[in-house]
Amino acid sequence: AQSVTQLGSHVSVSEGALVLLRCNYSSSVPPYLFWYVQYPNQGLQLLLKYTTGATLVKGINGFEAEFKKSETSFHLTKPSAHMSDAAEYFCAVTRGGGNKLTFGTGTQLKVEL
Amino acid sequence: GAVVSQHPSWVICKSGTSVKIECRSLDFQATTMFWYRQFPKQSLMLMATSNEGSKATYEQGVEKDKFLINHASLTLSTLTVTSAHPEDSSFYICSATMWGSGGLNEQFFGPGTRLTVL
Repeated sequence: AQSVTQLGSHVSVSEGALVLLRCNYSSSVPPYLFWYVQYPNQGLQLLLKYTTGATLVKGINGFEAEFKKSETSFHLTKPSAHMSDAAEYFCAVTRGGGNKLTFGTGTQLKVEL
Repeated sequence: GAVVSQHPSWVICKSGTSVKIECRSLDFQATTMFWYRQFPKQSLMLMATSNEGSKATYEQGVEKDKFLINHASLTLSTLTVTSAHPEDSSFYICSATMWGSGGLNEQFFGPGTRLTVL
C-alpha cells in the first residue's frame, strides 16, 4: 500500500518569498507522484507529475518539484510567491501506472502582502 | 482539452430524498471514472471506481446501496445519493481518465458538487 504525508497543514509566506510545501511518500513499488491545487469550491488542477526520468519536474505557474528517492520526498517549490497562489495543495501517489490516487491531507497556502 | 464537468454544482435537499450528480467528460472518452468525497478542510477520499458498462468497485466502508453509481457511456457517470441524511452533506468530486503517454492514465477532475442535506 502507498501513503502520503504532507507536513504542515497551513503554510504562510510573504508575497515574493520562496514557497516550500513538503510531501513524503511511502510506496512498495516505484511511485508516480503528483501535486494538485484546489481553489475554494473547485475541483483539482494538476500542477505537475513525476513518472520516470528526470527527477526535477517543472509544472504550471512556476512550480517545480524534485523526486528524491533516498529521502522518499517530493517537495513542491516556487521561487517567488504570488497572491494568486493562495490555495489548497495536495500531494498524491499512485502505484506505477495504476489509476488509484492516494492523497495527502493537504496544505493550505496563505500569501501575505 | 480533457475537460470534465459536473452537474449540479450545488444542491440542497431534504433528509430522506435522493440526489443524482452527473459527471461528464466533454472532449474525450473516459475509460474509467472515479468518485471522491471531501469533507471541509480535509483531503479527498476515494469512494468508488467505475468503468463503462460494468459495476462500480467501491472502497472499503462505502455503502454501495447508499451511493449508487451508473456508468452508462464513455462520457457519463452518475452518482445517486439515496435517502440522503445530513451526514451525507459533503463536496463530491469526480474524475475521469483516458490513456496517456507511457500508459499513465492521468485523472482529470470535475469542479465538484456541494451537497447539503437539511
